[in-house]
Amino acid sequence: KNEVEQSPQNLTAQEGEFITINCSYSVGISALHWLQQHPGGGIVSLFMLSSGKKKHGRLIATINIQEKHSSLHITASHPRDSAVYICAVSFTTAGGTSYGKLTFGQGTILTVHP
Amino acid sequence: DSGVTQTPKHLITATGQRVTLRCSPRSGDLSVYWYQQSLDQGLQFLIHYYNGEERAKGNILERFSAQQFPDLHSELNLSSLELGDSALYFCASSTNREAEYGYTFGSGTRLTVV
Repeated sequence: KNEVEQSPQNLTAQEGEFITINCSYSVGISALHWLQQHPGGGIVSLFMLSSGKKKHGRLIATINIQEKHSSLHITASHPRDSAVYICAVSFTTAGGTSYGKLTFGQGTILTVHP
Repeated sequence: DSGVTQTPKHLITATGQRVTLRCSPRSGDLSVYWYQQSLDQGLQFLIHYYNGEERAKGNILERFSAQQFPDLHSELNLSSLELGDSALYFCASSTNREAEYGYTFGSGTRLTVV
């Protein structure tokens, strides 16, 4: 069964702390995505990864294909980072294609206090 | 503004009714994906259209149907609505069939069935 597991489910931090959210998946993928969703808001795509590491501002995403694991790091966290962070993957089918279909983790609710 | 437009933003309707949700993809994107986000099931893939053709189906109920028109906008039709259909419905678009360059999400339509 194609599954995506995130941890932790809830995360509370003080402003300035370094934050890590983890994502693991069960089988081969063509890509992994980190998404951000603010309360009542839409979904913003933060990163798309198929290998290695990407950085954008204070956000860093890494993926280890062999371990089937990815992490999202937030350095110097700020209250405006409070949101739900969602890991999503495109699983590779037997035919070698995913047709872009995403399977989602359950999300991590991040709250950063000033 | 992500470039993906979803209308309406909010919809309240009664059980047994039929509604149509509309999505206009980002300019130049050929693929449209529909997702449902509910409190108990999280985000789930419903259906994918590429250049007017259905490419993949997920956990979409028989009461639900979708299509993509020649101008590439898409509509999701939900009929015989039940209380459990209350959810956020997101549309996303991508450049091609495999979403090689990632996704752009709309802000969602919040459907409340009373």
